[in-house]
Amino acid sequence: NAGVMQNPRHLVRRRGQEARLRCSPMKGHSHVYWYRQLPEEGLKFMVYLQKENIIDESGMPKERFSAEFPKEGPSILRIQQVVRGDSAAYFCASSPGTEAATGELFFGEGSRLTVL
Amino acid sequence: SQQGEEDPQALSIQEGENATMNCSYKTSINNLQWYRQNSGRGLVHLILIRSNEREKHSGRLRVTLDTSKKSSSLLITASRAADPASYFCATVTRSSYGKLTFGQGTILTVHP
Repeated sequence: NAGVMQNPRHLVRRRGQEARLRCSPMKGHSHVYWYRQLPEEGLKFMVYLQKENIIDESGMPKERFSAEFPKEGPSILRIQQVVRGDSAAYFCASSPGTEAATGELFFGEGSRLTVL
Repeated sequence: SQQGEEDPQALSIQEGENATMNCSYKTSINNLQWYRQNSGRGLVHLILIRSNEREKHSGRLRVTLDTSKKSSSLLITASRAADPASYFCATVTRSSYGKLTFGQGTILTVHP
C-alpha cells in the first residue's frame, strides 16, 4: 500500500517562473492537506481539499498560489511567478476523511522548491 | 499566532538517557499529536492523545496532556542512535477537524 506520493522531490525555478507540485494521497484517502516548511521552522498549514472542493484555504497566500484536487488525478499546488521567498519544502498529507479518521495525517516526503 | 510551541528548541543527550520535550498551546483542542521528522524527510506520526486523556504510552514513548495548563510532554525513554530527529507537536482544534497546527519543533541529538 503506497504512501503519499509527492513529485517532484526537488524543483529549481528562476524568479517569475511557475512551479507545479503534485500529490497523490494514500489509497482510500479523500482528504488532502498542503503545508509549507521554511528552513528550521515548523510546518504551516496552507490548504485543505477534498475531491473537487477546496474546504479551507485560509493559510494560502491570496495571490500567485492555487490548489486543486480533481476528480481524477493528483492534487496540484501551483505557484505562479515564483519569488525567492517561495523557496521552501512543501508537504502534502492525506487522511481518509472525517468519518474514518483518527486525526492522524499521513505525510509525503515533500517537494523542495528552490527559487534562484 | 503560534498554536503549538515546543521547548527546548534543541536537546542533546547521551545514548540511553531519557529525552523530554514539552509543548504548549493556546486554544481548546480536540487532540494533540506528536510527529517526528528526520532531516530532509517527511513527517511520521508518533502518537495522538485526545483532550479527555491524560497519559498515553506507545513503546518507548510516553505522552502526557494537561488541558488546564494547555501543555503536553513527550518522553522518549532509553534513547537510541536512531532517535535523532526533529520532534513536532501539532494540535487539532474542535472546529478544524483534521487540520493540524504545528509548533516549531525540538531538535534532538543523541551522542553515543
